[in-house]
Amino acid sequence: EAGVAQSPRYKIIEKRQSVAFWCNPISGHATLYWYQQILGQGPKLLIQFQNNGVVDDSQLPKDRFSAERLKGVDSTLKIQPAKLEDSAVYLCASRPGVGYGYTFGSGTRLTVV
Amino acid sequence: KNEVEQSPQNLTAQEGEFITINCSYSVGISALHWLQQHPGGGIVSLFMLSSGKKKHGRLIATINIQEKHSSLHITASHPRDSAVYICAAEETSGSRLTFGEGTQLTVNP
Repeated sequence: EAGVAQSPRYKIIEKRQSVAFWCNPISGHATLYWYQQILGQGPKLLIQFQNNGVVDDSQLPKDRFSAERLKGVDSTLKIQPAKLEDSAVYLCASRPGVGYGYTFGSGTRLTVV
Repeated sequence: KNEVEQSPQNLTAQEGEFITINCSYSVGISALHWLQQHPGGGIVSLFMLSSGKKKHGRLIATINIQEKHSSLHITASHPRDSAVYICAAEETSGSRLTFGEGTQLTVNP
């Protein structure tokens, strides 16, 4: 089966610019996650979707970050405006539901200069 | 204190050695995940455990629910096993994963 697809693979932007990341999970996976991984740290959950509904966005900096999964399939994560501390790898993961293993995408490496 | 702690942070081994990475957690969990991350960011799920022991090839994962401790073992280690190994606790309060900071494993030929 195809894996979790993410794009772009790399992105460099200036601070205060906006950026968007895209994720296409494995077909049939109802649960989708966005994680932020800062260099040298473990991933941190930004938002979790169950189909097109938000389950957990408690750690999403909502003043600048937004995410949607309109049709319960692919998802976009947006940062506007970006700050230097947003430099990280943004990982998308999906799974069929609770009790199943995760499949991670290759991530998008964001550098804010 | 992190809710999920791994040890060691860094581990260097010679090819063929038996390797153990430990994970302790303080949260209530429904499952414990072991993940492998290679340079470049890709993460691969190795195991999902809720009790006992699982084996896949040269990899073995164990969990002791009472002691809130899990171990990942690699038998007959190989340079291609070099990667960061991450332990992640899936909390019972939701399905959020709380990650350890990872163990950087380097296996020298």
